[in-house]
Amino acid sequence: GAVVSQHPSWVICKSGTSVKIECRSLDFQATTMFWYRQFPKQSLMLMATSNEGSKATYEQGVEKDKFLINHASLTLSTLTVTSAHPEDSSFYICSADSGALNEQYFGPGTRLTVT
Amino acid sequence: GENVEQHPSTLSVQEGDSAVIKCTYSDSASNYFPWYKQELGKGPQLIIDIRSNVGEKKDQRIAVTLNKTAKHFSLHITETQPEDSAVYFCAATGNQFYFGTGTSLTVIP
Repeated sequence: GAVVSQHPSWVICKSGTSVKIECRSLDFQATTMFWYRQFPKQSLMLMATSNEGSKATYEQGVEKDKFLINHASLTLSTLTVTSAHPEDSSFYICSADSGALNEQYFGPGTRLTVT
Repeated sequence: GENVEQHPSTLSVQEGDSAVIKCTYSDSASNYFPWYKQELGKGPQLIIDIRSNVGEKKDQRIAVTLNKTAKHFSLHITETQPEDSAVYFCAATGNQFYFGTGTSLTVIP
């Protein structure tokens, strides 16, 4: 149980274009989902907390107009990187709160490369 | 906010030996302490967790201990195998997850 999927697993896009990443909880409903960014050999950096049916809460320094988050249902959250630049290249990981006392389950990640 | 420190940053052990990774936290309100294993190019996988009302938890070759007074918790892996090689992250959480900086474990066959 507690499986989280992400799509796509990797994506290459050109500068200036937008990319959408999907995060789905497959066997449970997640009121809250989280989006992280991870640079090589570094820890996970929380970007935003996504609550179903409401606006996402962004961490300090994360541009909400650049990283658009939508949590339209209890099993799906999306992250759209708008007007992507090479510095946005990174590993993006989502997680979902199972509702069982803070337990988070992570997706497999999406490798974004902006050329 | 919470501050989680993790040591060591890298760890190499011979196959069959034990590995210990330690984390300290600063916020006494933190009450949930998970450990994640991350293989290259993959997302973190929850391997074991402990809550503040428990001092120790074991699952086969993996165990976690928690000292609330000293605000530290540790991951213990016994009889290590090459497939245990990965990056391990600890986390402390109350309302939000705070991750440690990670430990790269290499098990030498």
